[in-house]
Amino acid sequence: SQQGEEDPQALSIQEGENATMNCSYKTSINNLQWYRQNSGRGLVHLILIRSNEREKHSGRLRVTLDTSKKSSSLLITASRAADTASYFCATEDNFNKFYFGSGTKLNVKP
Amino acid sequence: DTGVSQNPRHKITKRGQNVTFRCDPISEHNRLYWYRQTLGQGPEFLTYFQNEAQLEKSRLLSDRFSAERPKGSFSTLEIQRTEQGDSAMYLCASSSSEEQFFGPGTRLTVL
Repeated sequence: SQQGEEDPQALSIQEGENATMNCSYKTSINNLQWYRQNSGRGLVHLILIRSNEREKHSGRLRVTLDTSKKSSSLLITASRAADTASYFCATEDNFNKFYFGSGTKLNVKP
Repeated sequence: DTGVSQNPRHKITKRGQNVTFRCDPISEHNRLYWYRQTLGQGPEFLTYFQNEAQLEKSRLLSDRFSAERPKGSFSTLEIQRTEQGDSAMYLCASSSSEEQFFGPGTRLTVL
């Protein structure tokens, strides 16, 4: 089974609102990454947080990591219609293998 | 375009036929990954190469699946005697560090 699990499975918000997605994982990790996938297309890397980091920012993205709870959250501030996509967390283990969750489907209504 | 490319983009085949997909990674990337993704799910790890060496293969991968990366450049994924359950998107990704760069995928439909 996949290591990462996202919550919620689906999220619908109005443009301008913030969107928060959560990810939980099971075993020890080197890092945790978030990816975005537009319908029927490949994944695009958004942000990476290492296991010794607690918070990271990139533009409108903020990711947190709590290794004691084995969880991470992704916050997208001031959402735009173009942010509509599926968002996946992925954990990398010590052997360079990646495990993806089942994703959060975000819909930003204009 | 210097991104990851995959061919073909779509493949429709009949059950029992063999199919082969190709992935051309970003040229300086030494790691190459294959994933399978079904509708509503995240990518599922299949196998991974460091240069030409296949370092890991998922237990999900039956012996009908084989992957190669001759000379450590492009890679091929072959599925023999396809089954309807093989219908999925097959994604390739390459990396030189922690970040993976994904190709657009090959959508396989087995009739």
